[in-house]
Amino acid sequence: EVQLVESGGGLVQPGGSLRLSCAASGFTFSSYWMSWVRQAPGKGLEWVANIKQDGSEKYYVDSVKGRFTISRDNAKNSLYLQMNSLRAEDTAVYYCARGDYLRAFDYWGQGTLVTVSS
Amino acid sequence: DIQMTQSPSTLSASVGDRVTITCRASQSISSWLAWYQQKPGKAPKLLIYKASSLESGVPSRFSGSGSGTEFTLTISSLQPDDFATYYCQQYNSYFSVTFGQGTKLEIK
Repeated sequence: EVQLVESGGGLVQPGGSLRLSCAASGFTFSSYWMSWVRQAPGKGLEWVANIKQDGSEKYYVDSVKGRFTISRDNAKNSLYLQMNSLRAEDTAVYYCARGDYLRAFDYWGQGTLVTVSS
Repeated sequence: DIQMTQSPSTLSASVGDRVTITCRASQSISSWLAWYQQKPGKAPKLLIYKASSLESGVPSRFSGSGSGTEFTLTISSLQPDDFATYYCQQYNSYFSVTFGQGTKLEIK
């Protein structure tokens, strides 16, 4: 059974940093693109970042470029999102998702809430 | 960047109704379109991929169609479990993925 479990969310002050993790199981992690998607309270879904199977390609939505870094450790079956210079508008539930070439984002984690507030 | 526009934003319908949600892309995305269902407090669930392919385990009352810039999600006979928010998503390339703004399907 495919499972994605996020952790690392919490309350952080504006300008602060946070590192999210996503533990994957039930599939060959190193064979899939992985993604982060966020959802601000009461709002829609927003794609944040993608990372290729071997980590050699990374892509970001414009609003987080230069502040967020996506990474992965295939030996640990884990995906990460390092978030720096956080802003109030980064407040959201952050989901990790498995990216399939054909089937888009076919599995999602349960999400972890990040709140940026003083 | 490719923009995705869904309509309507809110849809009121009754159990047994046939409903259609539309998604338009700002440029051609071939058939690289997915549909997701999301219920409050839950992660999105993949329903349709490649515009018209039904994800395993999804009831056959859900169907998708379209290509290029115009796409539709149809629910042939609404069931109580279908009242949720629906999102389209283009995945034409890995360097830019975008979602529609969502359609909330409410009970009339």
